[in-house]
Amino acid sequence: QQQVKQSPQSLIVQKGGISIINCAYENTAFDYFPWYQQFPGKGPALLIAIRPDVSEKKEGRFTISFNKSAKQFSLHIMDSQPGDSATYFCAASKGYGQNFVFGPGTRLSVLP
Amino acid sequence: DVKVTQSSRYLVKRTGEKVFLECVQDMDHENMFWYRQDPGLGLRLIYFSYDVKMKEKGDIPEGYSVSREKKERFSLILESASTNQTSMYLCASQPGGGERSTEAFFGQGTRLTVV
Repeated sequence: QQQVKQSPQSLIVQKGGISIINCAYENTAFDYFPWYQQFPGKGPALLIAIRPDVSEKKEGRFTISFNKSAKQFSLHIMDSQPGDSATYFCAASKGYGQNFVFGPGTRLSVLP
Repeated sequence: DVKVTQSSRYLVKRTGEKVFLECVQDMDHENMFWYRQDPGLGLRLIYFSYDVKMKEKGDIPEGYSVSREKKERFSLILESASTNQTSMYLCASQPGGGERSTEAFFGQGTRLTVV
């Protein structure tokens, strides 16, 4: 019940295309769903996050879509750029002071 | 800006050595975490701490211990390093208080190789 599943494992997209990464969870007590972006040799950094009381959140070219009934959420990167090439992790946590459960990650490559 | 600093970027240690990984955060966060990151497995929680001298086991605590004597510092200890502990180790901190989860801030990672 603590697991967060993530797909695809790797993704190759042309510059200007749309990148979509999907995650699914089981535990309905989760109340915070962040996406982290990690460049080689760096620690993960928060990209965008959503709470289950909204179905979508957009920040620039990055959008989270959240489907509470299906227990799924996804990251959409519009107009993908080579600088977006990184590993993306979805995560979930529940309540104050609780640790995050991370998906296994998606390695995104955006071709110029 | 929040800064989480890990003492080493790269470490090479011998099997059986006692290894200390240090992490310091400068934002007075209550919560601190140690993860290890392995290809295809994502980030797995080793230990976490909500306060000074408090610690909780994560998903994979075997072979590790932690110390938090001061609020800003959280140390991971490998009591007797083994080759299967070769990995990237990530420290994170998070504000405490409130009722809902908030962002965690990560250090740059320590790549540990045990030979």
